[in-house]
Amino acid sequence: GIQVEQSPPDLILQEGANSTLRCNFSDSVNNLQWFHQNPWGQLINLFYIPSGTKQNGRLSATTVATERYSLLYISSSQTTDSGVYFCAVDPDNTDKLIFGTGTRLQVFP
Amino acid sequence: DAGVIQSPRHEVTEMGQEVTLRCKPISGHNSLFWYRQTMMRGLELLIYFNNNVPIDDSGMPEDRFSAKMPNASFSTLKIQPSEPRDSAVYFCASRPGLPSRSFREQFFGPGTRLTVL
Repeated sequence: GIQVEQSPPDLILQEGANSTLRCNFSDSVNNLQWFHQNPWGQLINLFYIPSGTKQNGRLSATTVATERYSLLYISSSQTTDSGVYFCAVDPDNTDKLIFGTGTRLQVFP
Repeated sequence: DAGVIQSPRHEVTEMGQEVTLRCKPISGHNSLFWYRQTMMRGLELLIYFNNNVPIDDSGMPEDRFSAKMPNASFSTLKIQPSEPRDSAVYFCASRPGLPSRSFREQFFGPGTRLTVL
């Protein structure tokens, strides 16, 4: 089956710093989503981005489907950005979201 | 609009008891998914429905698990009998389907944290 790898596994930042999270996947996909799981466990949709670039405030994402990777950029990080960031892909011809192992982000004041 | 609704939010039960988790998808969505999250296995799909019909239950761990979707606005995941290794957070998700532009985008409920003693 498809492999979804995220890096780095852990990231510690001071408030105000920028960061880039990466998601690599081993096969072609119909869909790619980025989620933020906050400290209360809720999975919050960040981006639905099977290809191209999107921006939402301090966050932006780029997916290069032909090269099988996606990047999530967080600028001017805040303590509320802390949590785990998941990339999830929907491989071609399936309807299943396969989740990566996540990047745990801690932002300190 | 209300998001995906799950109940209960927390459930503590004893081994051998029946557990029923409930989910109300977003109105108008035609696909519903049940996931489980554990430290060891991460987030994994258990089963999903399209238009109330189960499509793929290959992720259901064993016969003790069953899921139903009697109508477009309600689904249940049942564990009978429950075991301590079933302790996890269970998420329900839904997606709009065609002709929505982002028809594959899944939206998750808040989850049910299940503890089996």
